[in-house]
Amino acid sequence: GESVGLHLPTLSVQEGDNSIINCAYSNSASDYFIWYKQESGKGPQFIIDIRSNMDKRQGQRVTVLLNKTVKHLSLQIAATQPGDSAVYFCAEGNNNAGNMLTFGGGTRLMVKP
Amino acid sequence: EPEVTQTPSHQVTQMGQEVILRCVPISNHLYFYWYRQILGQKVEFLVSFYNNEISEKSEIFDDQFSVERPDGSNFTLKIRSTKLEDSAMYFCASSRDRGSYNEQFFGPGTRLTVL
Repeated sequence: GESVGLHLPTLSVQEGDNSIINCAYSNSASDYFIWYKQESGKGPQFIIDIRSNMDKRQGQRVTVLLNKTVKHLSLQIAATQPGDSAVYFCAEGNNNAGNMLTFGGGTRLMVKP
Repeated sequence: EPEVTQTPSHQVTQMGQEVILRCVPISNHLYFYWYRQILGQKVEFLVSFYNNEISEKSEIFDDQFSVERPDGSNFTLKIRSTKLEDSAMYFCASSRDRGSYNEQFFGPGTRLTVL
């Protein structure tokens, strides 16, 4: 079946460096994509989302890039901080499937001081 | 800042027992959800709820599961006869709207342990 998945299970970066977390998806009918951050013992926290008709969206220190040609989604975090250490999930949604989100497997980001 | 709350934070139960997980969604939200996350695995959609009825449900949400909004603030997930494989984190979420850009706010989760 169609799914959302991640290339790298763990990413270790130096504090202050930029981080790039990747996600591959296979459902070409997805209308929007969302990045969530999950800290230990907490629920997923919304970071940023992007509609399928866009290829880039920027937030505060974060940028999401969408490449529909290769069905690839990435999250870029600028000047990574220790507080960014968490597991990051991509999720996709389809307007025809209501509000159901399909999550990827997660990437753990570890920030070294 | 408004947030979704869940109780209890940890529930331990014996196999075959019924459990009820409770959630208080954000007050002006209209759509409510349950997700689960088995340890070390990805978050999985269970069910969405709107206007006092189920909107969508996944294959996981079988006859052992039910949801209810018993009053104006609580949203509950009931597992009628728990199985070992029901052990997981259960997250409640709510959103104001549906469709794209419907930001779903997640609660902190209830860890369910079935012995």
